[in-house]
Amino acid sequence: ILNVEQSPQSLHVQEGDSTNFTCSFPSSNFYALHWYRWETAKSPEALFVMTLNGDEKKKGRISATLNTKEGYSYLYIKGSQPEDSATYLCAFIHQGGTSYGKLTFGQGTILTVHP
Amino acid sequence: KAGVTQTPRYLIKTRGQQVTLSCSPISGHRSVSWYQQTPGQGLQFLFEYFSETQRNKGNFPGRFSGRQFSNSRSEMNVSTLELGDSALYLCASSRESKQFFGPGTRLTVL
Repeated sequence: ILNVEQSPQSLHVQEGDSTNFTCSFPSSNFYALHWYRWETAKSPEALFVMTLNGDEKKKGRISATLNTKEGYSYLYIKGSQPEDSATYLCAFIHQGGTSYGKLTFGQGTILTVHP
Repeated sequence: KAGVTQTPRYLIKTRGQQVTLSCSPISGHRSVSWYQQTPGQGLQFLFEYFSETQRNKGNFPGRFSGRQFSNSRSEMNVSTLELGDSALYLCASSRESKQFFGPGTRLTVL
């Protein structure tokens, strides 16, 4: 059974704060790591797809890093805004499946940004 | 380009009944995956279809089944509904590395 863990479970920050979350995954048979943002009453939205050890991706104020050797990824949000409030999910694909269609999700980090 | 659509959006059933949910992928996407989201378990993979064939299956009982049609539209079926099947069911279509999710079907079993 593949275990993907995210921490913290929830986070409350003030507008303007920078924050980061962690996703831990099995370091063996790594294929890809996805990050999603899921706002209430909307569909999960893909943020990043990361495949190479040392990968760093950036989208506006959000960035992510990947360490496949030790099995973790960090998601950073710089200068949080209230519209960043959402659940942030990471999802792992292991090499055995070699299918983009099977994601193993973590439980998510619920971020609330207070004005 | 239209996104992933799911119908119905909300459904109420009683124990023992069966239900069919539908998912229309983004045009050109041949892979459709289904996930169940419950408060206690998070998002769990049900199955994936590609070109009308089940390519991957999650750890769910045989009451959960699916199929995919030649136009890539997919349906999932749950027979003999149980209270624990109450959940949000999401489908996602993918092409290459990204998955695009639909809005989900909220199933309530009474």
